[in-house]
Amino acid sequence: DIQMTQSPSSLSASVGDRVSITCRASQSISRSLNWYQQKPGKAPQVLIYAASSLQNGVPSRFSGSGSGTDFTLTLNSLQPEDFATYYCQQSYSTPWTFGQGTKVEIK
Amino acid sequence: QVQLQESGPGLVKPSQTLSLTCTVSGGSISSGNHYWSWIRQPAGKGLEWIGRIYTSGSTNYNPSLKSRVTISVDTSKNHFSLNLSSVTAADTAVYYCASNYYGSGSYEFDYWGQGTLVTVSS
Repeated sequence: DIQMTQSPSSLSASVGDRVSITCRASQSISRSLNWYQQKPGKAPQVLIYAASSLQNGVPSRFSGSGSGTDFTLTLNSLQPEDFATYYCQQSYSTPWTFGQGTKVEIK
Repeated sequence: QVQLQESGPGLVKPSQTLSLTCTVSGGSISSGNHYWSWIRQPAGKGLEWIGRIYTSGSTNYNPSLKSRVTISVDTSKNHFSLNLSSVTAADTAVYYCASNYYGSGSYEFDYWGQGTLVTVSS
């Protein structure tokens, strides 16, 4: 199985801040990396697919980058509705696997 | 807009079989550009992919659960189902059904059900 490791596990930030979350794969996954946002009691929602493509309807303050083993999700100008948990997921090979999650909290 | 809805018992006894169904609305499960997956999430923990099915009936399962999992599809009812046998308390989780769009090449989970909590307890 491909292991996905996110860092940090949690972070505190203020509205308007720029934050970055890193995801590292245990082997190269090309650009087969997706990012999700999950709010309490809700299903995850895809933000970014194929490492850097913005899902329809997702605000442009979200962006993704990377390839191979190292990937980054960047949130520019954090908004109140962005406080949530973020997961990366590799779709390079089954079993598809997720990172452990990064919780973004209000400072 | 495609919508998915999980249904099934919220309480299952240890050693029994967990059975859930995901009904797809707003689109055909046979559309040909989606896989259909089950994912679970224990309380306060991360996401685990259980397996997927294509409308042809072809399946892929997570090896960690493969010996206990069966996913099936009924295109006439526009739904797919999960059976997980010999459950223990470790199988207590919120279970989600989701679709994987492979038109992008990245198989992202583009639509999700709301999730259903299944508790394994006697």
